[in-house]
Amino acid sequence: GAGVSQSPRYKVAKRGQDVALRCDPISGHVSLFWYQQALGQGPEFLTYFQNEAQLDKSGLPSDRFFAERPEGSVSTLKIQRTQQEDSAVYLCASSVNRAYGYTFGSGTRLTVV
Amino acid sequence: AQKVTQAQTEISVVEKEDVTLDCVYETRDTTYYLFWYKQPPSGELVFLIRRNSFDEQNEISGRYSWNFQKSTSSFNFTITASQVVDSAVYFCALSPAPSNTGKLIFGQGTTLQVKP
Repeated sequence: GAGVSQSPRYKVAKRGQDVALRCDPISGHVSLFWYQQALGQGPEFLTYFQNEAQLDKSGLPSDRFFAERPEGSVSTLKIQRTQQEDSAVYLCASSVNRAYGYTFGSGTRLTVV
Repeated sequence: AQKVTQAQTEISVVEKEDVTLDCVYETRDTTYYLFWYKQPPSGELVFLIRRNSFDEQNEISGRYSWNFQKSTSSFNFTITASQVVDSAVYFCALSPAPSNTGKLIFGQGTTLQVKP
């Protein structure tokens, strides 16, 4: 597609529920990043994929967070047993080469109630 | 430690005024990249500029200009003759070049409101 597509756009989850957020990067983009943006804050790095390999997951806040990109294109960020502090916008970005910058999606706004 | 500080939380100007958004960064790396992104109400981050640490030449793109000063670890962004459409949150970000991941470290953002 022309841009990075994320779905759903909005998600409301009850505390304790599992959620799955999808990112469809630009075709051919090798690098894929997930960021978490709390209200009024800058985005914070969660994890990075190069093709299907998850090379950096140092930003995942707990073992309830899990990301995958099994075929090197679409990626899913899964959050198990959601907590209120997980409420944030989750942004996905992709890049053909970091030298050319990153294209971000519009994000998924997760609200845990 | 790697850090980006945008001290201005909110700025409000009247249309046609010039406005400068400040960005100060911290890194021990000698090679790194600096970015500015715009986040309109729709939520996506729009790329504005990337600058590497070896290129201190200032850049101008239309009404936008950037002043990179390595000596003060600053990468400030100026909008000349601001317009209402410039209203958004602006983020400065740092990417340490030796990093294998290319992850971005963002500042807290500056909310710019341009009033007609």
